[in-house]
Amino acid sequence: AQKVTQAQTEISVVEKEDVTLDCVYETRDTTYYLFWYKQPPSGELVFLIRRNSFDEQNEISGRYSWNFQKSTSSFNFTITASQVVDSAVYFCALRTNAGKSTFGDGTTLTVKP
Amino acid sequence: EAGVVQSPRYKIIEKKQPVAFWCNPISGHNTLYWYLQNLGQGPELLIRYENEEAVDDSQLPKDRFSAERLKGVDSTLKIQPAELGDSAVYLCASSPRGGVADTQYFGPGTRLTVL
Repeated sequence: AQKVTQAQTEISVVEKEDVTLDCVYETRDTTYYLFWYKQPPSGELVFLIRRNSFDEQNEISGRYSWNFQKSTSSFNFTITASQVVDSAVYFCALRTNAGKSTFGDGTTLTVKP
Repeated sequence: EAGVVQSPRYKIIEKKQPVAFWCNPISGHNTLYWYLQNLGQGPELLIRYENEEAVDDSQLPKDRFSAERLKGVDSTLKIQPAELGDSAVYLCASSPRGGVADTQYFGPGTRLTVL
């Protein structure tokens, strides 16, 4: 069985601050993918980033970056210089070879002007 | 390119009534998913289709829920009869092939309220 834990239920920051969203996962599979999705008030989950279990290289894409550490089963996501439009619920998800996705319960990010 | 389309966006019914949700995936996507999202939680898979075939319906409460994907394109999810606990957002998603690396694209969801 797999599990995704997002310990931070809510985070509030002031615009232009950096913010990191934590994600810890559990799986016995050796091949899997990790995802981050954003869910704005409109309700539609929007794909942000994807990482496979064999690639621990961390990357930066614009204001987004992620830190994948297999040793600690963590896949953290950072927004640099946050903006009000970043306010949303962010979900971390794990997908295994069986094709099933497991989502965390989300972190609600509020960016205040 | 059009995204995943769902209708209706909102539905309010009384308990014991039937209800149906419709989903049209992104053109060319073979895999279609129905998820249930309760307030304050992440989506939970109800059923996954590969073309017309339901390949994973282990989490679908088959006593009251049913789904179909005729012709392997759009899909309908039905609840009959609805219960108070069914109040939630029902999300539809699609992906090109359903493999482990596939990215799922989600629709806006249908928010169901059962009174």
